[in-house]
Amino acid sequence: EVQLVESGGGLVQPGGSLRLSCAASGFTFNKYWMTWVRQTPGKGLELVANVQQDGGQKYHVDSVKGRFTISRDNAKNSLYLEMNSLRAEDAGVYYCARLNWYSTVWFNDFWGHGTLVTVSS
Amino acid sequence: DIQMTQSPPSLSASAGDRVTIICRASQSISTSLNWFQQKPGKAPKLLIYAASSLQSGVPLRFSGSGSGTDFTLTISSLQPEDFATYYCQQTYSAPFTFGPGTKVDIK
Repeated sequence: EVQLVESGGGLVQPGGSLRLSCAASGFTFNKYWMTWVRQTPGKGLELVANVQQDGGQKYHVDSVKGRFTISRDNAKNSLYLEMNSLRAEDAGVYYCARLNWYSTVWFNDFWGHGTLVTVSS
Repeated sequence: DIQMTQSPPSLSASAGDRVTIICRASQSISTSLNWFQQKPGKAPKLLIYAASSLQSGVPLRFSGSGSGTDFTLTISSLQPEDFATYYCQQTYSAPFTFGPGTKVDIK
């Protein structure tokens, strides 16, 4: 059974940092791209970042470029999101999701339960 | 970025009703369109990928259609467990973007 379990969320002051983690199990982690998606009151569901199977290729949405970094450790079956210079608009639930592919179409087929990030002074 | 819109924003329906939700893309996305269901406090759940392919384990009452810019999610006979918010997402080009959602509640 595919399982994705996020951790690391919490309360942080504006300008602060957090590191989110996602522990994966039930599938061959190093064969899949992985994704962080967030759900915020202001923008709804928003893809934050993707990372290739070996960590070589990464994509970050413009609103987090230079502040957030996605990474992975295939030996630990883990995905990470390093978040710096946090802003109020970054607050929300952050989901880890597996990215799958079929006939040229990408889709997030399995999601974790999410971890809540609160940015407030 | 490709903008996704959904209509209606919300609808009220009864169990047994046929429900149709529309999703439109701001430019052609071929069939790179996915549908998700989300219940309060839960993660989104994939229902349909590539516009019309049913994800494993999803009931046959869910179906998707469309290509280009116009897409439809249909629930043939609404069940009590289907009351939720539904989102479309395009994965044709980065950044992959979601629609604002359609909330289906009980009439």
